[in-house]
Amino acid sequence: ETGVTQSPTHLIKTRGQQVTLRCSSQSGHNTVSWYQQALGQGPQFIFQYYREEENGRGNFPPRFSGLQFPNYSSELNVNALELDDSALYLCASSLGAARHTFGSGTRLTVV
Amino acid sequence: EDKVVQSPLSLVVHEGDTVTLNCSYEVTNFRSLLWYKQEKKAPTFLFMLTSSGIEKKSGRLSSILDKKELFSILNITATQTGDSAIYLCAPQFGNEKLTFGTGTRLTIIP
Repeated sequence: ETGVTQSPTHLIKTRGQQVTLRCSSQSGHNTVSWYQQALGQGPQFIFQYYREEENGRGNFPPRFSGLQFPNYSSELNVNALELDDSALYLCASSLGAARHTFGSGTRLTVV
Repeated sequence: EDKVVQSPLSLVVHEGDTVTLNCSYEVTNFRSLLWYKQEKKAPTFLFMLTSSGIEKKSGRLSSILDKKELFSILNITATQTGDSAIYLCAPQFGNEKLTFGTGTRLTIIP
């Protein structure tokens, strides 16, 4: 079975720009969750998608948005980037309430 | 608001020692508790606990959950340098999101 794949692995953006991160879920998984992990912190829940619908959201502003596609892959979009958005962005897929399988993440640096 | 506290924040031990990592939580709509190991980027799954008092084991690692007292522990016996990592505890609530603690950074000295 293929695991969770994220792209790109690293990204540098300028404050105010927009960014799109991508995630391919593990085969057979229908739920995708996105997490932000700042340096020295645990991952923080951004939102979750199930069957192409948002299924829960953490304390993140509306400029963080997402999509899930019919093949269960997903995108995370962040508009008007701020310096504090610099972090490791992790995508995790699961089948319902089963354990989350994480990708290797995208390291975003905002300068 | 959901809250997860892991202790200690950091731990340095010698190879061969036994360590116990702690995780306490305050929740609503608790479903299960997961432990992950994070070495570089991707957290890798260790255990998923749903019932109190039932120990789960995988080699030198074991974990148990106490749903009455709202905590879990992760034990690692005969530690090896490859066990050096950040260990994350994540209760799973309501809509299946994971709420992570800050993690325990474990360093094993040869």
